[in-house]
Amino acid sequence: DIQMTQSPSSLSASLGDRVTITCRASQDIGNYLSWFQQKPGKSPRLMIYGATNLEDGVPSRFSGSRSGSDYSLTISSLESEDTAIYYCLQYDKYPDTFGAGTKLELK
Amino acid sequence: EVQLVESGGGLVQPGRSLKLSCAASGFTFSNYYMAWVRQAPTKGLEWVASITNSGGSTYYRDSVKGRFTISRDNAKSTLYLQMDSLRSEDTATYYCTRGHTYPYWGQGTLVTVSS
Repeated sequence: DIQMTQSPSSLSASLGDRVTITCRASQDIGNYLSWFQQKPGKSPRLMIYGATNLEDGVPSRFSGSRSGSDYSLTISSLESEDTAIYYCLQYDKYPDTFGAGTKLELK
Repeated sequence: EVQLVESGGGLVQPGRSLKLSCAASGFTFSNYYMAWVRQAPTKGLEWVASITNSGGSTYYRDSVKGRFTISRDNAKSTLYLQMDSLRSEDTATYYCTRGHTYPYWGQGTLVTVSS
């Protein structure tokens, strides 16, 4: 199975900060990587697919990038509504595998 | 508007069975792969199973192989998950979701396996 190692597990940042979350894939997954945001008591929300493509309706302060086997989600200027848990997902090969999640809080 | 509505969750004893349903609307159901993803209380997301748009192929995580069966009825635009020989570690909220990138999710249905 493909392992997705997500870091950090938690992150505290201030309003307006640039925030980056990373997932490292244990083997090549091409660009078959999505990012999800989940708020307490809610279903996950797709933010980024294909490693770099912004899902419709997602604010442009969110972006995705890839460097080798490292995939990153960046929030260019943190807003209060961005506090949530973020997960990456590889969907290149079954079983699809999620990262362990990053809890993003306001400092 | 795309909608996915799960049902069928509840409290069940270990070793017993439960069948979940997911009613889909707002898109041509038969055109899409579908999947079940679960989340144990206070834990992360875990893919459970997927099914091709025709239903001809299915995929499972190892821990549920031989116990869970994913199926679909394209005429009814409904996805199913038959869960047999349930274990305490299957306790989770079960979500249905669409395709490979999972752009749409239901609200989830809670399955609690406990005596």
